Amino acid sequence: DQQVKQNSPSLSVQEGRISILNCDYTNSMFDYFLWYKKYPAEGPTFLISISSIKDKNEDGRFTVFLNKSAKHLSLHIVPSQPGDSAVYFCAASDSGNTPLVFGKGTRLSVIA
Amino acid sequence: NAGVTQTPKFQVLKTGQSMTLQCAQDMNHEYMSWYRQDPGMGLRLIHYSVGAGITDQGEVPNGYNVSRSTTEDFPLRLLSAAPSQTSVYFCASSYSGLAVEQFFGPGTRLTVL
Repeated sequence: DQQVKQNSPSLSVQEGRISILNCDYTNSMFDYFLWYKKYPAEGPTFLISISSIKDKNEDGRFTVFLNKSAKHLSLHIVPSQPGDSAVYFCAASDSGNTPLVFGKGTRLSVIA
Repeated sequence: NAGVTQTPKFQVLKTGQSMTLQCAQDMNHEYMSWYRQDPGMGLRLIHYSVGAGITDQGEVPNGYNVSRSTTEDFPLRLLSAAPSQTSVYFCASSYSGLAVEQFFGPGTRLTVL
């Protein structure tokens, strides 16, 4: 059973507009969430994280929102740039030193 | 710092062959992990280590062995390669635990014929 779900395999957005990537989780013990970005032929790189004590974390053009009651988080990219085109993975943990659980990823294409 | 390095970048094996994927990090991280990425499957954890001499199984450990004799190195061994092990393999490390930001290597693309 998938504990972290990214239900949109792909997303296409115009340059300058907002990209919204969604992630749902089922394990209520998860309390720390991360987003990774992956370019082709490279390893994933950490983008942004959020702890369950917050409902929003912002870093430049990237903002992650957490809705604990809905077990849902989203990554907003504003404004979207062509260099943002990549696969984005959502990951979650219970902070108990158990490994991260990753979603299947969403491929974002930003069209110039 | 080189970060997390993986060798080789590409490898083709025949069914039944064995090989070792190398992973090294120079950040003095205690925690290291191996993942595989398959189309539509995301990143799945194979094995992980919380320090030298300590390893544990992840979600998909069958067909793979690991050891951690030093802090720096965490090799992944395929004992008898199968076509189902065709995948991209990523090694990752972190400084403060398994449940936090992981630093990933560039990956090894393995094809088993």
